[in-house]
Amino acid sequence: GDSVTQMEGPVTLSEEAFLTINCTYTATGYPSLFWYVQYPGEGLQLLLKATKADDKGSNKGFEATYRKETTSFHLEKGSVQVSDSAVYFCALSYNTGNQFYFGTGTSLTVIP
Amino acid sequence: ETGVTQSPTHLIKTRGQQVTLRCSSQSGHNTVSWYQQALGQGPQFIFQYYREEENGRGNFPPRFSGLQFPNYSSELNVNALELDDSALYLCASSLRGTRATNTEAFFGQGTRLTVV
Repeated sequence: GDSVTQMEGPVTLSEEAFLTINCTYTATGYPSLFWYVQYPGEGLQLLLKATKADDKGSNKGFEATYRKETTSFHLEKGSVQVSDSAVYFCALSYNTGNQFYFGTGTSLTVIP
Repeated sequence: ETGVTQSPTHLIKTRGQQVTLRCSSQSGHNTVSWYQQALGQGPQFIFQYYREEENGRGNFPPRFSGLQFPNYSSELNVNALELDDSALYLCASSLRGTRATNTEAFFGQGTRLTVV
């Protein structure tokens, strides 16, 4: 079946450090891949997405590349800020339905 | 901030009771999906409604049921509540077009259900 495995947290980084959050997936078809972010007390917000192999999604300095050969979609940011502190979820979905399969989430805390 | 609103924001129920959660979809959206997010876990897909009919269901028992109304708002009903039903319940709305593909899903802030 379809599933997403995320790097376990929590992750604590100093401001301006480099961030990588690993995500791998198992899929029966050809899904789109997503990163969602959840700030405390809020719902999920789409951070970035990629719809096919080798696509790179990017937003707010975050990037992730859809790697079919390694079934991965790792999230990276070159220089994190305190405001990036949140829980990050990797997810996959097939376009016909928006039924997402989410990973367990990775909590990120950025300290000044 | 999305246009998806959920009510109530918090709720406490007793084991065995029934609960109804509500979701108003973003203007122009015709599809609503419901997710259960247990503490420290990722959201799990419960079911989706399109044109007032269930259109896909995850691995949840029949005591989880739903409705979608002509204005595309939706309800999630859970009967015979169990302690493990304690979670954040999220709804997401999107627009399904003629090619049966959906636009980006927007999530509400969720309803925190506690079963005691």
